[in-house]
Amino acid sequence: QVQLVESGGGVVQPGRSLRLSCAASGFTFSNYGMHWVRQAPGKGLEWVAVIWYDGNKKFYADSVKGRFTISKDNSKNMLYLQMNSLRAEDTAVYYCTRDRRRAADYWGQGTLVTVSS
Amino acid sequence: DIQMTQSPSSLSASVGDRVTITCQASQDISNYLNWYQQKPGKAPKLLIYDASNLETGVPSRFSGSKSGTDFTFTISSLQPEDIATYYCQHYDTLPRFTFGPGTRVDIK
Repeated sequence: QVQLVESGGGVVQPGRSLRLSCAASGFTFSNYGMHWVRQAPGKGLEWVAVIWYDGNKKFYADSVKGRFTISKDNSKNMLYLQMNSLRAEDTAVYYCTRDRRRAADYWGQGTLVTVSS
Repeated sequence: DIQMTQSPSSLSASVGDRVTITCQASQDISNYLNWYQQKPGKAPKLLIYDASNLETGVPSRFSGSKSGTDFTFTISSLQPEDIATYYCQHYDTLPRFTFGPGTRVDIK
């Protein structure tokens, strides 16, 4: 069965960096685009970034453009989100999701990132 | 950028009631709209894709439709396990996602 397992969250000071990982299993990872979606405490869902199935194209929300980088390693079935210059407003649960025809059909359990001094 | 509005922001209904949520796009988005259910403390779950297609395994009491730039999500007979927040989500061709603000559904 499809599984997505995020890791790498934690407490980090403003201005510092953090890298999130998402381990995928149960499907042919190299055939699918992947997204990161986040949810601040008590708030709604916010799309963060997408990467195409082959890793050749990436797109970002304006709120993270220039600070976050999405990548995927199809040989390891891994998705990543490198987050630099973190701000308090980046505090959220971060979900990795699989893109199936422009829908997020599978989601991980999420990993909490807290940006605080 | 396309904006998505969703109404109501919350509702309370009785078990067995018909529940309707509306999502409106700021411009024509064709059928590029999905609906998700998020229960407290859990990840969202895809219910409806491309405006009106029921995801595999989702109960048939859930449905979606489109009229112009308005999209409607319906629970035909509300069940206790349907307590959740529901989100609409538009996608473009890149694909970038835009989520609606969500509708919280409670039992009266």
